[in-house]
Amino acid sequence: QSALTQPPSASGSPGQSVTISCTGTSSDVGSYNYVSWYQQHPGKAPKLIIYEVTKRPSGVPDRFSGSKSGDTASLTVSGLQAEDEADYFCCSFAGDPYVFGTGTKVTVL
Amino acid sequence: QVRLVQSGAEVKMPGASVRISCTASGYTFTNHYIQWVRQAPGQGLEWVGLINPNDAGTYYGQRVQDRITMTRDTSTSTIYMELRGLRSEDTATYYCARCLGFGRMDYWGQGTLVTVSS
Repeated sequence: QSALTQPPSASGSPGQSVTISCTGTSSDVGSYNYVSWYQQHPGKAPKLIIYEVTKRPSGVPDRFSGSKSGDTASLTVSGLQAEDEADYFCCSFAGDPYVFGTGTKVTVL
Repeated sequence: QVRLVQSGAEVKMPGASVRISCTASGYTFTNHYIQWVRQAPGQGLEWVGLINPNDAGTYYGQRVQDRITMTRDTSTSTIYMELRGLRSEDTATYYCARCLGFGRMDYWGQGTLVTVSS
């Protein structure tokens, strides 16, 4: 099972928006509405911020939103804040049964 | 509050085995699967496997399925993950996480660093 493809980095100024893509195949992202996103700060455990493509756990700001089109899922962070600087990983249900993305480092300029 | 507390860091020789524990509290232990995810230094996340604490059913990732065993102790609400035949590429931080649904890992342990080195 190959990792889902994410851009290595993304950046934006405070208040701007940044969108991260997560490209899989028809065997994972394209077949299931079970894409989740995790935020990870250095030295910390990952934190769930989106599940089932678009849903936010309680306590996660609505600045975080998810979507999917075909084999590609996306995470958008609106109104960037300094604390959003972190690594972001997508995850999809697949045959193994889960596969993670390669990760994207978001920098707040 | 929900907590998952993992055992401490381990240093092992190649070929050895390691057993990591994950003790849950703050919820009904048998109601939710526990998944294990690992992260090599500076790398991404890799799904390792899962266990159903209710019936001890397991499902392992292809890369480790011949070397891994997950068990549970309902009396102490603890999950154990044993990895045998350790290789340098098993060096990673291993996380346990509670799973509410497909890919929905809502609470994570603090991580356990396993270093495989001669």
